Amino acid sequence: EVQLVESGGGLIQPGGSLRLSCAASGFTVSSNYMSWVRQAPGKGLEWVSVIYSGGSTYYADSVKGRFTISRDNSKNTLYLQMNSLRAEDTAVYYCASDSSGSPLGYFDYWGQGTLVTVSS
Amino acid sequence: SYVLTQPPSVSVAPGQTARITCGGNNIGSKSVHWYQQKPGQAPVLVVYDDSDRPSGIPERFSGSNSGNTATLTISRVEAGDEADYYCQVWDSSSDPSGVFGGGTKLTVL
Repeated sequence: EVQLVESGGGLIQPGGSLRLSCAASGFTVSSNYMSWVRQAPGKGLEWVSVIYSGGSTYYADSVKGRFTISRDNSKNTLYLQMNSLRAEDTAVYYCASDSSGSPLGYFDYWGQGTLVTVSS
Repeated sequence: SYVLTQPPSVSVAPGQTARITCGGNNIGSKSVHWYQQKPGQAPVLVVYDDSDRPSGIPERFSGSNSGNTATLTISRVEAGDEADYYCQVWDSSSDPSGVFGGGTKLTVL
C-alpha cells in the first residue's frame, strides 16, 4: 500500500527556516516524480516544487531561490527546505507522488499534509 | 504564466448532472487532471489525462477536453460528491510548472 507521511510543520517567525519531510512507503521515491503542493487557509491548491526521477528540480516563482526540494533515497524520503519564510507561505503543505512516468503527469498519491504557520 | 479559470461554485440537485469547467488558452493541447477535496482531507485524483479514471473512482465521473475548455462531468450526483474540485495541468512553456485552477465548490442541493 502506498503511503506518504509528512512531518516538520509548525510555527515559525518570518525570516526563519523549516525543513519538511515526507516519508514514503509502498514505492520508491526516486522512481516517481515527487511534488510539494500547498494550500493556504481557506484557499485553493498551489503547486510549489517538483523533483524528477532523474533528479531535475523545478520551483514555482513564488518560492524560487528560497525553497529547495530534495530526496534521500536511502531513507525513501522527500524533503522541502524552506528559508526566508514569509507570512504568505502559511499553508498546509502536501507531498504528492506522480507514478505516471511522465513529467506532465498527475498526482495519484497524496500525504495528509503538514501545517506551516509563519507569524511573529 | 498559464492560467486556469474555474467557476467558484456549482449547485445541482441529487440525481442530476454536474458540469465543472476549466478554462485555459488552448487547454485542449494539454493533459488535464481533476481532483476532489473534501473538508479537512487531502485531494483525491478523480480524472487524469482528460478522461481516464483511476481505479476505485465511480463511472459517474468523466472528463472531456477541447479547445479552450476542459470539463469534469459528474452524473447522478450524490450527497457524498459535495466537495471542492480542482483542475490541473503542467505548463512547459519555460521551466515545467504545475498549475491548478482556483477550484469549484460543488453544492448538492
